[in-house]
Amino acid sequence: AQKITQTQPGMFVQEKEAVTLDCTYDTSDPSYGLFWYKQPSSGEMIFLIYQGSYDQQNATEGRYSLNFQKARKSANLVISASQLGDSAMYFCAMREGGREKLTFGTGTRLTIIP
Amino acid sequence: EAQVTQNPRYLITVTGKKLTVTCSQNMNHEYMSWYRQDPGLGLRQIYYSMNVEVTDKGDVPEGYKVSRKEKRNFPLILESPSPNQTSLYFCASNSFRTTTSTDTQYFGPGTRLTVL
Repeated sequence: AQKITQTQPGMFVQEKEAVTLDCTYDTSDPSYGLFWYKQPSSGEMIFLIYQGSYDQQNATEGRYSLNFQKARKSANLVISASQLGDSAMYFCAMREGGREKLTFGTGTRLTIIP
Repeated sequence: EAQVTQNPRYLITVTGKKLTVTCSQNMNHEYMSWYRQDPGLGLRQIYYSMNVEVTDKGDVPEGYKVSRKEKRNFPLILESPSPNQTSLYFCASNSFRTTTSTDTQYFGPGTRLTVL
């Protein structure tokens, strides 16, 4: 079974609109962390936001927020007021328990339309 | 500046010609790993290292070797590259997290490898 599922291969969003990128995960470990990375066309991996499984509040970083619904095992990324520079590939990833390895989803390609 | 460096950034080679992709980090991190990225598959871990002289297989280790003789360096070796190893490769490092740490993995800029 997939540990990280991103069901949206591609999305097109009008500039200035909010966008939600979906991510569901599967783990039996009570301690885990969820990450979102942005990969622009230049290829580098840019860390955006982190949510720990024991965190009581949803993580926020500037225009990025993570809608963490633990019971549903979802960790959706919300980008408010999208900008043209947000066009990129976005990856959701999970780190479980005592392991340092990140398990990645297949990514969502976001395109912001002017 | 804290960073992970990889070389080369781009490489085109032929089947069977041994190659090494270097990776170096300046953050004194214990943990280093290699990932490959392929369309529709996301990033998959190839090998990882918990510290000097301690390495182990990730999810897709076939056809690759690694070594960790120094803490800062973690080269990826392809002894006999094949076309199915054409991919984008990332090196990453992080220090071991504590229960209060959100320590993320720092990624190198990537190496785009083409094997003809």
